[in-house]
Amino acid sequence: DAKTTQPNSMESNEEEPVHLPCNHSTISGTDYIHWYRQLPSQGPEYVIHGLTSNVNNRMASLAIAEDRKSSTLILHRATLRDAAVYYCILRDAEGTYKYIFGTGTRLKVLA
Amino acid sequence: NAGVTQTPKFQVLKTGQSMTLQCAQDMNHNSMYWYRQDPGMGLRLIYYSASEGTTDKGEVPNGYNVSRLNKREFSLRLESAAPSQTSVYFCASSVRDILNTEAFFGQGTRLTVV
Repeated sequence: DAKTTQPNSMESNEEEPVHLPCNHSTISGTDYIHWYRQLPSQGPEYVIHGLTSNVNNRMASLAIAEDRKSSTLILHRATLRDAAVYYCILRDAEGTYKYIFGTGTRLKVLA
Repeated sequence: NAGVTQTPKFQVLKTGQSMTLQCAQDMNHNSMYWYRQDPGMGLRLIYYSASEGTTDKGEVPNGYNVSRLNKREFSLRLESAAPSQTSVYFCASSVRDILNTEAFFGQGTRLTVV
């Protein structure tokens, strides 16, 4: 399974954009890049996913490097409710459809 | 919409006792998963079921067994609980289709083994 590397923690001011990086240098051509977040005392929730092109949804944007060895989750305007642990994970579309989580990035949003 | 429902939410066991954690989803998903999360750590996959009738080991299967009872339900059994199994357990489900890859998680079961 491909591995991901994320910073342990990051801080952001409220109402400012946040860029959460993820390195996945061993990614294969069939791996989708997924982002989940976990709010305190809750189960993870889906944020966004992509394969090659940048993706946008109501929650965030996902920017994928051209060589696909890294990606960045972008929260356009951080709010206090965005304080969570953000996980970047890879899912193999041709494999067994299992998710392997890393340790994630703990995002702290300052008021 | 219920989504993924886990029972119980909290449980305290004595070392050596057995118990089954229940998980049910109402989204007609094919794939289901069991994870554990230790304090300050990410999630680790215990077992998964890619479709009804199949189960496979994940990263940390020792000490656990699973049953995919039907398409809706996926249970996790601890035959002889150990303090090292103190953790928060999450169940999840997803559609197998590669074009629809969002996974949904339950709220977790907090298990303490004393």
